[in-house]
Amino acid sequence: GDSVTQTEGPVTVSESESLIINCTYSATSIAYPNLFWYVRYPGEGLQLLLKVITAGQKGSSRGFEATYNKETTSFHLQKASVQESDSAVYYCALGDKDYGSSGNKLIFGIGTLLSVKP
Amino acid sequence: DMKVTQMPRYLIKRMGENVLLECGQDMSHETMYWYRQDPGLGLQLIYISYDVDSNSEGDIPKGYRVSRKKREHFSLILDSAKTNQTSVYFCASSLGRGGQNTLYFGAGTRLSVL
Repeated sequence: GDSVTQTEGPVTVSESESLIINCTYSATSIAYPNLFWYVRYPGEGLQLLLKVITAGQKGSSRGFEATYNKETTSFHLQKASVQESDSAVYYCALGDKDYGSSGNKLIFGIGTLLSVKP
Repeated sequence: DMKVTQMPRYLIKRMGENVLLECGQDMSHETMYWYRQDPGLGLQLIYISYDVDSNSEGDIPKGYRVSRKKREHFSLILDSAKTNQTSVYFCASSLGRGGQNTLYFGAGTRLSVL
């Protein structure tokens, strides 16, 4: 089936350190996967951080970046130097480019809680 | 202002009581969603609504029903709530159909069924 697996949290890093949150996907029924990272700050709803719809491309936002790797079925989230304000829950998600059998839905990972120490 | 609003934010109910969770959006999005998230699991889709009175089951619809009488509002109803429906519920909306669209989420409703 279709699924997303990501780093289990919590992940704790110190300010200015680098970060990687792993995400791998399985898209057995999705012909053209789209990949997303959403973020949820405390007390708020999930919001889109970045998305990539073409294999081999990289998305970036707010210093974060992720590359859609079709060969390894991965979409890892990286940041070179985190800030305390990056503390949040990060969700990797998989969607279908077409309105096909999988419908509208996004398939989400479990979320990774990131805590950045000052 | 692009916003999805969920009410209430916290709710405690007894088993067997009826529960109404409400969601509103100010973006005139045609598609709206209800998800729930439990510890150790990703967000699971309960229902999708494609427009007024056009609703479809998601992956875990059992025990839930929905109502969408206006494009801006989408309600989730639990008739006779069960303890295993204790969860965090998220409402979302998107401009169109298809899994390439950006979803806009509310802040969530934490429901406890005792």
